[in-house]
Amino acid sequence: EVQLLESGGGLVQPGGSLRLSCVASGFNFSTYAMSWVRQAPGRGPEWVSDISGRNFGPNYADSVKGRFTISRDNSKNTLYLQMNSLRAEDTAIYYCAKEVLGVPDYYFDYWGQGALVTVSS
Amino acid sequence: AIRMTQSPSSFSASTGDRVTITCRASQHISSYLAWYQQKPGKAPNLLIYGASTLQGGVPSRFSGSGSGTDFTLTITWLQSEDFATYYCQQYYGYPRTFGQGTKVEIK
Repeated sequence: EVQLLESGGGLVQPGGSLRLSCVASGFNFSTYAMSWVRQAPGRGPEWVSDISGRNFGPNYADSVKGRFTISRDNSKNTLYLQMNSLRAEDTAIYYCAKEVLGVPDYYFDYWGQGALVTVSS
Repeated sequence: AIRMTQSPSSFSASTGDRVTITCRASQHISSYLAWYQQKPGKAPNLLIYGASTLQGGVPSRFSGSGSGTDFTLTITWLQSEDFATYYCQQYYGYPRTFGQGTKVEIK
C-alpha cells in the first residue's frame, strides 16, 4: 500500500523558514518523480515544485522560485521542501504527491494527508 | 500559465441523479487532463486521467470525456459518498494547473 506521510508544518512568522518532509512507503521511491502541491483555504490545489526520481531538474512555480527548494534522499525514501522567506500568501496545506512516472509532467496518483503551514505574525 | 475554469462552482443534487461538471482550458491541452475528488479534510483522490481513463478502483459510474479545450466529468446514479468537491488538472504545459473546483452538495 502506497503511503506518504508529511511532517514539519506549523506556525511561522513572515520572513521565516520551515522544512517539510515526506516519508514514502509501499513503492519503489527512486523510480518515481514527486511533487509538492499546496492548497490555500477554500481554494483549488496549486502545484508548487517537482523533482524527478533520479534528482534531476527540479521545477518550481513562479510564486515560490528563489525561496523554496525541493530535494529528495532516495536512500531514506524521503522528499523535502525547504521554504525560506515565507509570506502570508504561502499559508496553505502542503501535500506531497507521487507522480505516475520517473519524470514529472503528469498527474498525481497518490497524495499524503497534508501538512498545514501558517505564516502569520 | 494555462487557466482551467470549471462550471458550475457548486450545485445541489439528489442521490440517484446524473450530474455533469465542465472544465474549460484557456488553450488547447489535447487529452492531458485529470479529474480528482476531494472530501472535507482529505487530500484529493485521482479519478480519471487522459481525459477519459478511469483510475483503478474508481467506480464505473464516473466517466470523463472531451479533448482540446472542453472537458466533462459525469457521474451517473449519484451516490451519497459522491458528495464532494471535484477538480480538473491539466498536464499539457508547465506549470501544471488546477481548476477552482466544483462542489456537489446534497439537495
